[in-house]
Amino acid sequence: GDSVTQMEGPVTLSEEAFLTINCTYTATGYPSLFWYVQYPGEGLQLLLKATKADDKGSNKGFEATYRKETTSFHLEKGSVQVSDSAVYFCALRGTGGFKTIFGAGTRLFVKA
Amino acid sequence: NAGVTQTPKFRVLKTGQSMTLLCAQDMNHEYMYWYRQDPGMGLRLIHYSVGEGTTAKGEVPDGYNVSRLKKQNFLLGLESAAPSQTSVYFCASSSPGTSGSYEQYFGPGTRLTVT
Repeated sequence: GDSVTQMEGPVTLSEEAFLTINCTYTATGYPSLFWYVQYPGEGLQLLLKATKADDKGSNKGFEATYRKETTSFHLEKGSVQVSDSAVYFCALRGTGGFKTIFGAGTRLFVKA
Repeated sequence: NAGVTQTPKFRVLKTGQSMTLLCAQDMNHEYMYWYRQDPGMGLRLIHYSVGEGTTAKGEVPDGYNVSRLKKQNFLLGLESAAPSQTSVYFCASSSPGTSGSYEQYFGPGTRLTVT
């Protein structure tokens, strides 16, 4: 079945450092791919998405590119801020379906 | 637009007690979901609904029941609470959207403790 694997955390960075959180997936066809973010004490919210191969999703300085050949959707940000401290979830929606499969989440701590 | 709201925000139950969690959305979404979030386990789907009057089991449905009598509301019930049901519960809703992506919109969560 479809699945998502993302790097384990926590990831601890200093402010203005470069961020990469790796995500790979297993799915048939062409799933839609997502990154959700969960700030402390809140629900998840969509950060960015990509619905077809080679699409780049971007929002709030974060980017991720849908790579069909490597089945990956890595999250990147050039310069993190303390306010980016949160848990990040990679997710996919399979072709023809409506349910979303979530990765286990990666906690990011950014130090001032 | 309130989006997705959940009540209550916090609750403490004794083993064997029952309760109902209410989820409401004002986005006219067809699909609604209940998840639980436990440390180190990510999100696990409990039940979901594809429209008013329909419900279906997710991956961890035991001990829970749901109802979707109105399109905007999705209720999660615990008939006889157990300590293993201590968790944070999230409701979400989705629709195909213009891109057909079914991105999900989440409520703020309900933190439940069963003693």
